[in-house]
Amino acid sequence: DVKVTQSSRYLVKRTGEKVFLECVQDMDHENMFWYRQDPGLGLRLIYFSYDVKMKEKGDIPEGYSVSREKKERFSLILESASTNQTSMYLCASSLVGQGAYEQYFGPGTRLTVT
Amino acid sequence: AQSVAQPEDQVNVAEGNPLTVKCTYSVSGNPYLFWYVQYPNRGLQFLLKYITGDNLVKGSYGFEAEFNKSQTSFHLKKPSALVSDSALYFCAFEGTTGFQKLVFGTGTRLLVSP
Repeated sequence: DVKVTQSSRYLVKRTGEKVFLECVQDMDHENMFWYRQDPGLGLRLIYFSYDVKMKEKGDIPEGYSVSREKKERFSLILESASTNQTSMYLCASSLVGQGAYEQYFGPGTRLTVT
Repeated sequence: AQSVAQPEDQVNVAEGNPLTVKCTYSVSGNPYLFWYVQYPNRGLQFLLKYITGDNLVKGSYGFEAEFNKSQTSFHLKKPSALVSDSALYFCAFEGTTGFQKLVFGTGTRLLVSP
């Protein structure tokens, strides 16, 4: 059974803290993605990676960075957390190539910044 | 800008009745279109996708979707709703960058009453 896991289901951090969200997939997928989900806004892409050490900005990269040192692991970093980064964060992975490959999602991390 | 729209924030239906969750798209060319479902406190799960060919696409859990090019729509349907279908549904399209990037709609909450 395919699996994407995220390091925490719930996280509470203080404003200004550096926050790491970890995502691991066991499907040998090339693509990995980080989204944030907010009510009424759907999912918005923060960053994605199509290979180890490769990254591309999504639609809302400001205030975030990412790291992909190994194929199975993709980390999202909030350099200095702010209250407007309180959200649900979802990681996903997919195969790469021609065609519409579906993305597989982790369970999400609900981050609260106080 | 290319996008998908889900015009209804919420859809209410009685168990046993047919359900429709609407999605319209504004995408150039021949879009790849997807439906995902999110059950409470879970990540997103893939339901179905349209690539090309038959306009009626069948997916998981008895769901199907009809691609209508003239109306630029991709509505999700099920002949007989179950209470367990209550969830948040997202329509999405794959962008043209070749990295399997998805652009999501804002989501529609489906409530099926017993």
